Amino acid sequence: DVKVTQSSRYLVKRTGEKVFLECVQDMDHENMFWYRQDPGLGLRLIYFSYDVKMKEKGDIPEGYSVSREKKERFSLILESASTNQTSMYLCASIAGTGNSPLHFGNGTRLTVT
Amino acid sequence: LAKTTQPISMDSYEGQEVNITCSHNNIATNDYITWYQQFPSQGPRFIIQGYKTKVTNEVASLFIPADRKSSTLSLPRVSLSDTAVYYCLVGAGQGDSNYQLIWGAGSKLIIKP
Repeated sequence: DVKVTQSSRYLVKRTGEKVFLECVQDMDHENMFWYRQDPGLGLRLIYFSYDVKMKEKGDIPEGYSVSREKKERFSLILESASTNQTSMYLCASIAGTGNSPLHFGNGTRLTVT
Repeated sequence: LAKTTQPISMDSYEGQEVNITCSHNNIATNDYITWYQQFPSQGPRFIIQGYKTKVTNEVASLFIPADRKSSTLSLPRVSLSDTAVYYCLVGAGQGDSNYQLIWGAGSKLIIKP
């Protein structure tokens, strides 16, 4: 079965810390995504990657960066965490075809204090 | 880009059929319509996908009229375990570096005994 694994379910970090959120997929998918999910705002795309070392900004990239050194791994980086980045972060992957469904991890709930 | 609109919440009772409609007036020719289910503290899970007319699988049906400006997710004989948030997603990959995926805000479905 398809699997997307996020390294942490819950994280608590302090303002100003550098935070790494890791995501690994075992489906050899070309495309990977990072979303954040907030009450009343649904899913908002932060970044996506369509190949190793390739990335595209999503709708809300400010304050975030990403890294994709290997096909199976996509990392989201908060260079200097702020309280407004407290959220649920969801990683997803999708095969290269246009109508393939997204496969999500279980999310990382990040709290920045 | 297509914008999706769906009801914020709805209630129903065990054993009933539930229909959730999503509006997507500006859907593009290449766009597919996909529905996801999300439980608390989990990532969204694929339910069903369609392009036009009717699609049925073991858990749901999806009705798409000829103009494709809306779609209706139908859940037959719901149970308490169907209590979740349901998301409508419109879009498709347009190529390796261009994914246009438009999420609805989600419909919270509460099933009562």
